[in-house]
Amino acid sequence: EVQLVESGGNLARPGGSLTLSCAASGFTFSDYPMTWVRQTPGKGLEWVAIISISGGSKYYADSVKGRFTISRDNSKNTLFLQMNSLRADDTAIYYCARVPNWGSWYFDVWGRGTLVTAPS
Amino acid sequence: QSALTQPPSVSGSPGQSVTISCTETSSDVGSYNRVSWYQQPPGTAPKLMIYEVSNRPSGVPDRFSGSKSGNTASLTISGLQAEDEADYYCSSYTSRSTVVFGGGTRLTVL
Repeated sequence: EVQLVESGGNLARPGGSLTLSCAASGFTFSDYPMTWVRQTPGKGLEWVAIISISGGSKYYADSVKGRFTISRDNSKNTLFLQMNSLRADDTAIYYCARVPNWGSWYFDVWGRGTLVTAPS
Repeated sequence: QSALTQPPSVSGSPGQSVTISCTETSSDVGSYNRVSWYQQPPGTAPKLMIYEVSNRPSGVPDRFSGSKSGNTASLTISGLQAEDEADYYCSSYTSRSTVVFGGGTRLTVL
């Protein structure tokens, strides 16, 4: 079964740091670009970042550029999101998702999400 | 404000058809046929329903269809069923190599 499981969500201090992980199984992780999408509880979806298969190409939303870093470890089938300088408006459920191929820009498999709370 | 505008809500009775629009309001998303649609029932993760304007992933019922005319993409659900009640989001690639989502549309099955 193709599966993505996020972890690492927690209550963070404003200005603090947190690292999210996304464990992939059921498919060849190193064959797919990956992405993070977040959703403020009760609100809409916001794309966060995307990373290529090798990790050599990365793109970010303006709202997180310079504060968040997406990375991956293909040997451990794991995607990461390092979040620094957390702000209250970073509070959200963070989903990782699979990208069918570089240049697809749509997301065909999603995890269940992990909640990050950064109080004001 | 999102570069993709969706109506906040739509509704329909079982068996009817409904259409959800997604209008591009920014030149960043202009001419790309990279629109996709996601379904999100309450308390669950999003699910891909349509990609690249009109393509359906395996397992998605053919009651779901996508199209685009000018700067407006549309998701049509025919033969509405109670299980279709959910939030629906469109998304698109932008010229800055980013992705933008619409604000979402709540579909209510009456």
